[in-house]
Order: sequence, then C-alpha cells, then structure tokens
Amino acid sequence: GNSVTQMEGPVTLSEEAFLTINCTYTATGYPSLFWYVQYPGEGLQLLLKATKADDKGSNKGFEATYRKETTSFHLEKGSVQVSDSAVYFCAAAGDSNYQLIWGAGTKLIIKP
Amino acid sequence: NAGVMQNPRHLVRRRGQEARLRCSPMKGHSHVYWYRQLPEEGLKFMVYLQKENIIDESGMPKERFSAEFPKEGPSILRIQQVVRGDSAAYFCASSPLVGEKLFFGSGTQLSVL
Repeated sequence: GNSVTQMEGPVTLSEEAFLTINCTYTATGYPSLFWYVQYPGEGLQLLLKATKADDKGSNKGFEATYRKETTSFHLEKGSVQVSDSAVYFCAAAGDSNYQLIWGAGTKLIIKP
Repeated sequence: NAGVMQNPRHLVRRRGQEARLRCSPMKGHSHVYWYRQLPEEGLKFMVYLQKENIIDESGMPKERFSAEFPKEGPSILRIQQVVRGDSAAYFCASSPLVGEKLFFGSGTQLSVL
C-alpha cells in the first residue's frame, strides 16, 4: 500500500542554520504531496503543497520540490529561526482529501 | 473565529474504563474528521461525520470505538473498555464542505495505564 517515510527526530539546529527534513513516499501514480506543521499547543496546519511532479511548494521561507525520480518531497529552509521549532508532518493524498497518508512527524528544535 | 477545539488535552484512563474525547469544529463547519496517531507512526484516518450522520467510518476499529456529531454540541469519540494499545494522540479536523481545506485541532493525548 501507499506509505510516507520521513526522517526521525528530534532534529536540533542552531538559529540561522540550513534545514532539510527528508520525506519519501511510495504510491500508485503521482499523488499530491503536503507538509503540515504543528507548533506547540496548536493544531496541525498546512505549510505547503505540490500537486504534480517538479512542482515547488513554498511558504514562510520553507520550500519542497516534488521529485518523482526519487519519490521525494524534502522540506528545506535556508535560515531557521527559534520560532520554527515545531513538529513537521509529510503527507501524500489518499483516496480522498481527508484520507491522507501521513508520515510519523519530525520534531524540530531550534536553539538560539 | 476560534479554531478547532479539542478537550481534554491529556486524558489518563485505567484499563477497562471509558474514554470520551470532544471536538468542537470551527464556526460554520459541519464536517468533522477523527484521526489517531500511534507512537512512532503517522496519523491514521478513523471516521468522517457530518451533523448527525456518519459518512465514512472505514478507519474505525470494529469494536469498542464509536463517534457521534449531534445537532447541538461537540463531536464525541468514545472508546469503551480501553486497553493499553489505545494510548495515542487523537486529532480532530473540520471543514466547511467536503473536499475543502481541513483545519486541525491540537489533539488529545490518551494514556492508558
């Protein structure tokens, strides 16, 4: 079946460091791909998405490119801030918009 | 406009007790979705409800689990006779219409002793 695998956390970085959180998927066809973020004490919220191969999603300085050759959708940010500390979830579209295939989440800790 | 509200944030139950998790959708949203995240795993869809109706319960365990979304009040996910394997984070989401963007709550962490 379809699955999403993302790197284990926690990932700890210093402020202004470069961030990569890896995400790979296995799926039939080419589903839309998503990154969600959960800040402490808040609900998950959509960070960015890409709907087809080679699409780049971007938001709040974060980017991810849909790469069908490597079935990947890695999340990147050039210079992280303490306020980026959160749990990041990678997901792929499933049979419906509410049945996403989710990764286990990666906790990101940014130290000043 | 308040977001999706879930309570309690943390719930501790002993084996065999009942757990009731509540979810108040965003104002104007009539579609509610429940998900479970077991330790070290991704979220898994459980059930989709619209006011007073269960639309899709394909992810619900066949026994001990039930969900409702009454005409008035929050949606309730009920787990009877809890077991240690029910320990997980339970997330709720809502949307104004099916197929539209989902708004998530912050989750309820259920711990079964």
